[in-house]
Amino acid sequence: GIQVEQSPPDLILQEGANSTLRCNFSDSVNNLQWFHQNPWGQLINLFYIPSGTKQNGRLSATTVATERYSLLYISSSQTTDSGVYFCAASMEYGNKLVFGAGTILRVKS
Amino acid sequence: AAGVIQSPRHLIKEKRETATLKCYPIPRHDTVYWYQQGPGQDPQFLISFYEKMQSDKGSIPDRFSAQQFSDYHSELNMSSLELGDSALYFCASSAGQTFTDTQYFGPGTRLTVL
Repeated sequence: GIQVEQSPPDLILQEGANSTLRCNFSDSVNNLQWFHQNPWGQLINLFYIPSGTKQNGRLSATTVATERYSLLYISSSQTTDSGVYFCAASMEYGNKLVFGAGTILRVKS
Repeated sequence: AAGVIQSPRHLIKEKRETATLKCYPIPRHDTVYWYQQGPGQDPQFLISFYEKMQSDKGSIPDRFSAQQFSDYHSELNMSSLELGDSALYFCASSAGQTFTDTQYFGPGTRLTVL
């Protein structure tokens, strides 16, 4: 099955800083999603982005499907951005998602 | 906008007991997925249903069973609970079983087995 790897595993930022999270996947994907898991455990859907670029406020994401990677950009980070960011991908009929190990982000005020 | 509803949000059980988790998908979504997230781990796919039929199966123990009902809600039944079953259980829904459907996750049920 598909393998999903995320980097870095941990990231500490000062409030206001920018960051880039990376997701590599081992095969062609038909579904790729970015999630933010907050400290209460909720998985918030950030982007559905199997290819191309999308932006939503301070967040944006780019997936280069031919090179099998996706990037999540966080600009002007805030303490509320803290949590775990997961990338998840699927290449199979049925759309089951395979998650990466996540990036733990801590934003300090 | 309506979201995925899961109940209960928290559940505490003893070893060898049974538990039933419920999931109500977003209206007009006909596909439901179940994922299990152990402490400090990423979510792992358990099982999925499309139009009330099982569509895919992952690392789901034989002690677990699930089904999707005519109103598209789904239930995950867990028997002979073990300490290792303590986890966050997510349900997700999507509109149709194609390669390109966004999955929307519910808030999760936190199961603690004592």
